[in-house]
Amino acid sequence: DIQMTQSPSSLSASVGDRVTITCRASQSISSYLNWYHQKPGKAPKLLIYDASSLQSGVPSRFSGTGSGTDFTLTISSLQPEDFATYYCQQSYSNPITFGQGTRLEI
Amino acid sequence: EVQLVESGGGLIQPGGSLRLSCAASGFTVSSDYMSWVRQAPGKGLEWVSVIYSDGTTYYADSVKGRFTISRDNSKNTFYLHMHSLRAEDTAVYYCATTSNWRLDYWGQGTLVTVS
Repeated sequence: DIQMTQSPSSLSASVGDRVTITCRASQSISSYLNWYHQKPGKAPKLLIYDASSLQSGVPSRFSGTGSGTDFTLTISSLQPEDFATYYCQQSYSNPITFGQGTRLEI
Repeated sequence: EVQLVESGGGLIQPGGSLRLSCAASGFTVSSDYMSWVRQAPGKGLEWVSVIYSDGTTYYADSVKGRFTISRDNSKNTFYLHMHSLRAEDTAVYYCATTSNWRLDYWGQGTLVTVS
């Protein structure tokens, strides 16, 4: 199975900050990398797919880059509704695997 | 509008069985890949199982031989049949559409407690 490792595990930031979260795969996954965020008590929501494509309806302050084994999610200017837990997920091979999550706190 | 609604969770004793349902609207379950993903209390996301449009199924090693995914096209619903439940199966179970192995749409989740 492909292991996904996110860093940092938690992050404190303020409204308006620029934030970057990193995800590393244990082997090359090309651009088959997706990002989700999850608010407490809610289902995860797809933000970015295929490393850099913005899911429909997701604000443009979210962006993703990377290929191979190293990927980043950037939020250009944090909004109050962005404080959540973020997960990366590889869609390169079965089984689907997720990173352990990055908790973004105020 | 795509909607997924899970049901069937609850409290079950170790060794017991439970069937989760995921009712879909806004699309046809038989035309897409559909997954179950779970989240233990305070933990991260774990993929559990997928059913392809052609009926092919796959399972995580942690549930292989105990869980079965199935689909009822006439009800536009898919299921997760869980047997020999263990304490470590305690989690919120989500169903999700699985286009190109990305999880586009999710249900609200249903809690399974094995105790």
